[in-house]
Amino acid sequence: AQKVTQAQTEISVVEKEDVTLDCVYETRDTTYYLFWYKQPPSGELVFLIRRNSFDEQNEISGRYSWNFQKSTSSFNFTITASQVVDSAVYFCALRASSGTYKYIFGTGTRLKVLA
Amino acid sequence: DAGVTQSPTHLIKTRGQHVTLRCSPISGHKSVSWYQQVLGQGPQFIFQYYEKEERGRGNFPDRFSARQFPNYSSELNVNALLLGDSALYLCASSLGGLAGPGDTQYFGPGTRLTVL
Repeated sequence: AQKVTQAQTEISVVEKEDVTLDCVYETRDTTYYLFWYKQPPSGELVFLIRRNSFDEQNEISGRYSWNFQKSTSSFNFTITASQVVDSAVYFCALRASSGTYKYIFGTGTRLKVLA
Repeated sequence: DAGVTQSPTHLIKTRGQHVTLRCSPISGHKSVSWYQQVLGQGPQFIFQYYEKEERGRGNFPDRFSARQFPNYSSELNVNALLLGDSALYLCASSLGGLAGPGDTQYFGPGTRLTVL
C-alpha cells in the first residue's frame, strides 16, 4: 500500500522564524516520485518541488529547502525566515512508478505565519 | 502562458441533480487528472485521461464519469448528487506520454461544489 503521512495538522510561527514541515511516506516501489504543493486560501495547488527516489540530494531554493532521506522514508520541507505570505496549507504527495500514476496526497499541514 | 482553467468557479446543486465540471489543460499538455478535495483533507484521485483514453480510476462510484476531448480539455460528470459530493474538484494537467510517472501535475483553481 502507498501512503503519505503529514502528522502536523497545524503549525503557527512568528514571522522570520524557521519552520519544518514533516512528510513520511510508504511505498513498496523502488522507483517513485515525491512532491510538495502549496495551497493558499484561493484553493489552487501550487507546485513547489519534485524529487526522484534515486536522487537523495537535498535541495535549496531561496528560502525553501527539502531534506529527502530514504532510510527514514521522509521528505521534509523547511522554510527559512518565514513570511506572512507563506501562510497556506502544504501538501506532500507520492507518485509510484507502477499503477495508474495517481498522486497520493497527505492530509496537509496548515502553516500560519504571524506578523 | 495560461495555466489550467476550470469552470465554473462555484456551483450549488441539490441532491439528485447532475453536474458537469470543465477543465482546460496547459497548452501542450495531453493528460488531465481529476481530484476531489473534501474540506480538511488532501485531494483524492478520481480519474486520469491521456489522449482521450482513461488511464486510471480512483475508488469512486459509477456516478462519477469523465471524458477528454480532441483538444485535450476534459469534463467531469457526477450524477445523482449526494450531500457527500460537496467538495473542491481539482483538475490537473501534465505532459503525459513518455514523461512517465515523474510527470509533474499542475493544478487549476478548482470548482467548489455545494450540494444542498
